[in-house]
Amino acid sequence: EVQLVESGGGSVQPGGSLRLSCAASGFTFSDHYMDWVRQAPGKGLEWVGRIRNKVNSHSTEYAASVKGRFTISRDDSKNSLYLQMDGLKTEDSAVYYCVSGIVGDFDYWGQGTLVTVSS
Amino acid sequence: QSVLTQAPSASGTPGQRVIISCSGSSSNIEWNDVYWYQQLPGTAPKVLIYRNKWRPPGVPDRFSGSKSGTSASLAISGLRSEDEAVYYCAVWDDSLSGRVFGGGTKLTVL
Repeated sequence: EVQLVESGGGSVQPGGSLRLSCAASGFTFSDHYMDWVRQAPGKGLEWVGRIRNKVNSHSTEYAASVKGRFTISRDDSKNSLYLQMDGLKTEDSAVYYCVSGIVGDFDYWGQGTLVTVSS
Repeated sequence: QSVLTQAPSASGTPGQRVIISCSGSSSNIEWNDVYWYQQLPGTAPKVLIYRNKWRPPGVPDRFSGSKSGTSASLAISGLRSEDEAVYYCAVWDDSLSGRVFGGGTKLTVL
């Protein structure tokens, strides 16, 4: 059974930093790209970025709204995905979901972790 | 403003058929696979339709997906109260080099 468990959310002041983690199990993590998707309170889903697998050089893509401030990384030896968020803004407040690449036929989502950016 | 356009709301009575549309462009829907997600209140999104028209195990056959050109649709037949949720379409956008989501359609069962 595929499981994705996010952690690391919390409250931070504007301009601060936070690092989210996602522990993956139930599939061959190293074979798949991984995404982060966020959802601001009462709003829709917004793709944050992607990190591809080793075969694709762990290349990354980011949404324009976070490019230059957020960094996605992974540790295949630990089946873990990370999201380093720097220069946080109030508009970054959201539930952040870890999303697998296509495992079998479709993607899987974690339960999310809440990030609140407020002074 | 979302790259993919969905009506913000839809409604129907129990037993009715409802269609939720997702309009995109040649850089996303036309050449890439569309996914549909159902999000119940307070929960993470769940895959309802993958690769345009296929249902994951456990998803009732009341749900069906289709795609034509730059648009995709999710049809829900035999509407039930438990179908009340927000539905999102999603697809990779080649121009943006990123995944894009529709703004979501909130379905109300009257």
